[in-house]
Amino acid sequence: GENVEQHPSTLSVQEGDSAVIKCTYSDSASNYFPWYKQELGKGPQLIIDIRSNVGEKKDQRIAVTLNKTAKHFSLHITETQPEDSAVYFCAASRGSSASKIIFGSGTRLSIRP
Amino acid sequence: SAVISQKPSRDICQRGTSLTIQCQVDSQVTMMFWYRQQPGQSLTLIATANQGSEATYESGFVIDKFPISRPNLTFSTLTVSNMSPEDSSIYLCSVSAGGPTGELFFGEGSRLTVL
Repeated sequence: GENVEQHPSTLSVQEGDSAVIKCTYSDSASNYFPWYKQELGKGPQLIIDIRSNVGEKKDQRIAVTLNKTAKHFSLHITETQPEDSAVYFCAASRGSSASKIIFGSGTRLSIRP
Repeated sequence: SAVISQKPSRDICQRGTSLTIQCQVDSQVTMMFWYRQQPGQSLTLIATANQGSEATYESGFVIDKFPISRPNLTFSTLTVSNMSPEDSSIYLCSVSAGGPTGELFFGEGSRLTVL
């Protein structure tokens, strides 16, 4: 089955700097790669996703890149702000079936003032 | 989007007891899911709650331990039975947006501590 590895487990960056979180997946048939943000005491919330027919997607300060050949994808946050502090989860799935989304282990991002 | 309400938000339970978590969605949804998030860990799918039929459990989870009800398209319950300290976790209800996006919406979770 699918296995998703996520690095680093913790990340601390200076406010205004960029943060990058990387994930690899094992199932070459996976074609949907969402990223979720979980703030303290809340459930995860989708922040951006990418499908396998696209190499990069951007939404304001957040971007995701996908390398299907290498089976890895990354989340890039630019101009980080204190409200970016949270736990981020990458995930991968085959098709759009939510029941088969496999999550990475999470990255705790802290933004230093 | 979907707004999901979970109750209780947190509870402290005694070993050997059972607790039922409720999940209410503000719109009718086809697919509802229950996840477990152990302290500092990722999300693990427990089961898919099917309306009108038995839930579909993932490997490592059984109905006797985690019975699930889904009486209609907006409501589900998860019971954690015969609890032990190892069941201390956050339990999350989730629904799918359906269609090509597959986006999952999550409730805020129920944090259980078993003593």
